[in-house]
Amino acid sequence: LAKTTQPISMDSYEGQEVNITCSHNNIATNDYITWYQQFPSQGPRFIIQGYKTKVTNEVASLFIPADRKSSTLSLPRVSLSDTAVYYCLVGVFSGGYNKLIFGAGTRLAVHP
Amino acid sequence: GAVVSQHPSWVICKSGTSVKIECRSLDFQATTMFWYRQFPKQSLMLMATSNEGSKATYEQGVEKDKFLINHASLTLSTLTVTSAHPEDSSFYICSARDPQGGTDTQYFGPGTRLTVL
Repeated sequence: LAKTTQPISMDSYEGQEVNITCSHNNIATNDYITWYQQFPSQGPRFIIQGYKTKVTNEVASLFIPADRKSSTLSLPRVSLSDTAVYYCLVGVFSGGYNKLIFGAGTRLAVHP
Repeated sequence: GAVVSQHPSWVICKSGTSVKIECRSLDFQATTMFWYRQFPKQSLMLMATSNEGSKATYEQGVEKDKFLINHASLTLSTLTVTSAHPEDSSFYICSARDPQGGTDTQYFGPGTRLTVL
């Protein structure tokens, strides 16, 4: 059973900002929230990771409210090449490390 | 960022043969690696956790005698699909856990496309 819930699909247009929200109501105290991007026939690519508040890197921002029960991935000014599946994950702690259990992800389609 | 490679990137084999897939962490040591499989239009499914120097831990429903995992060094894990059948055709992806920094981030390989005829 996936620990996260996110929209199945989203549509956007080039140049727009895209926000994908993920729910993780049962997140544990020591869980980090990690987002990955996957293109067809490729392995997932790490985008961003955070624990609380806001994290920003060169490709995205991650907003996490104080209760940490949700998070929002923000992609500024998307382009056609951002069309991909985006996965939000929190770890399932087992045997001294976190296992990643993938949900369905959000299929983002960026249109011209 | 951390780099994980897989070899081969694709393989076609006859039914009944065995296929070995390699997963390497190129710029960090990974005591733990993970193996996933992904069918078309579906999400990744965790198959097993590979620990350096010890037996792999398999997820429920994954046959350990069919999917042999060996983690002989801190940078290499292998998955061998034994007696492959057409239903084993899938996209196999590994990841390596980078424990540095305390965030337990996993980095994924590019995947291996297995087609069993």
